[in-house]
Amino acid sequence: QKEVEQNSGPLSVPEGAIASLNCTYSDRGSQSFFWYRQYSGKSPELIMSIYSNGDKEDGRFTAQLNKASQYVSLLIRDSQPSDSATYLCAVNEGTARQLTFGSGTQLTVLP
Amino acid sequence: DVKVTQSSRYLVKRTGEKVFLECVQDMDHENMFWYRQDPGLGLRLIYFSYDVKMKEKGDIPEGYSVSREKKERFSLILESASTNQTSMYLCASSFPRQPQHFGDGTRLSIL
Repeated sequence: QKEVEQNSGPLSVPEGAIASLNCTYSDRGSQSFFWYRQYSGKSPELIMSIYSNGDKEDGRFTAQLNKASQYVSLLIRDSQPSDSATYLCAVNEGTARQLTFGSGTQLTVLP
Repeated sequence: DVKVTQSSRYLVKRTGEKVFLECVQDMDHENMFWYRQDPGLGLRLIYFSYDVKMKEKGDIPEGYSVSREKKERFSLILESASTNQTSMYLCASSFPRQPQHFGDGTRLSIL
């Protein structure tokens, strides 16, 4: 049974701080890793993809992948109230056709 | 941009009715997925399809069926709607092992 675990939260950070969201996965064969943002009442929106070890930066977002330790994280720099949402980690094992989603971490950025 | 269109944003049906939820994507994706999302339970995969006329059960297929007669269209069918099928239904599509792109969702109420 593939498992993707996220810190359950909720997580609150002040505006301008760095928000750190973590995700661990159980399947060592996992090849593709994604972070989605979901606002309340809306559908998930892809914000980051990462496929190899190391850091990947896109604006204020940085995804970090460590396959040896089986974790992937998302850092949000200079957090804004508009970043308040639930963040979903999703993992694709090498031969699987579907993604395994974590249960999400609810982030609140306080003005 | 990828466009995944779900036929209804809100739908109200009665118990015992046969309900059809339609999803269309415009990116020639091989894979299409149906999820439901309930508070505290996260995203749960109902069915997915990796080719026309091909389907695979997800984690919670009971009470549902699907149809994929054309590559761009994936339908979810509630054979005899029950109140415990009241939920947010999300359709997604993707290329193999690539990120999934979600539609806006259908909030279905069964009375």
